[in-house]
Amino acid sequence: QKEVEQNSGPLSVPEGAIASLNCTYSDRGSQSFFWYRQYSGKSPELIMFIYSNGDKEDGRFTAQLNKASQYVSLLIRDSQPSDSATYLCAAMYSSASKIIFGSGTRLSIRP
Amino acid sequence: DAGVTQSPTHLIKTRGQQVTLRCSPKSGHDTVSWYQQALGQGPQFIFQYYEEEERQRGNFPDRFSGHQFPNYSSELNVNALLLGDSALYLCASSLEGSYGYTFGSGTRLTVV
Repeated sequence: QKEVEQNSGPLSVPEGAIASLNCTYSDRGSQSFFWYRQYSGKSPELIMFIYSNGDKEDGRFTAQLNKASQYVSLLIRDSQPSDSATYLCAAMYSSASKIIFGSGTRLSIRP
Repeated sequence: DAGVTQSPTHLIKTRGQQVTLRCSPKSGHDTVSWYQQALGQGPQFIFQYYEEEERQRGNFPDRFSGHQFPNYSSELNVNALLLGDSALYLCASSLEGSYGYTFGSGTRLTVV
């Protein structure tokens, strides 16, 4: 049973539009959530971290967390071709526990 | 400030052989986690080392073993390699009590 679920995509979004990526998790005890970006053949890179309900903004990126619905999302505003990558959603139960990853959503930004 | 360093970057092994992968954590980090990432999949947790002890383990057979040294660096050993062990092996380091990992560039293992 997967603990973090993502739509594998590909999600195709026109340049300049908002890309919306979604993720659900099964462990209600999960406390912290992460979005990693992974370019093909490269290692994951942390882009957002959220642990409180609501929105967290960082530049063009906004992470949203709804613990009641066990739902995490990532919005990318003004999408650029360089945003084309796989986005991995991840959850952590506590700071001393492992991070569990979803299978990733492939995002393609078309010019 | 050096990030997470993994070696080697690429490796080709024959089925049945043994392999050792190495990881040096980011400066100031004391915890090392290892992940296996098959093509098109998310990283799968193998195990985590803290204070030279295996603290947590994922759903991997005993053929996968590891070690952490006093300087926090770590090794991942895989015995009796199978074709299905071909994957990108990622090392991630963190500081105990903090959130989020920093990943190394990975070791691409191909078993033939």
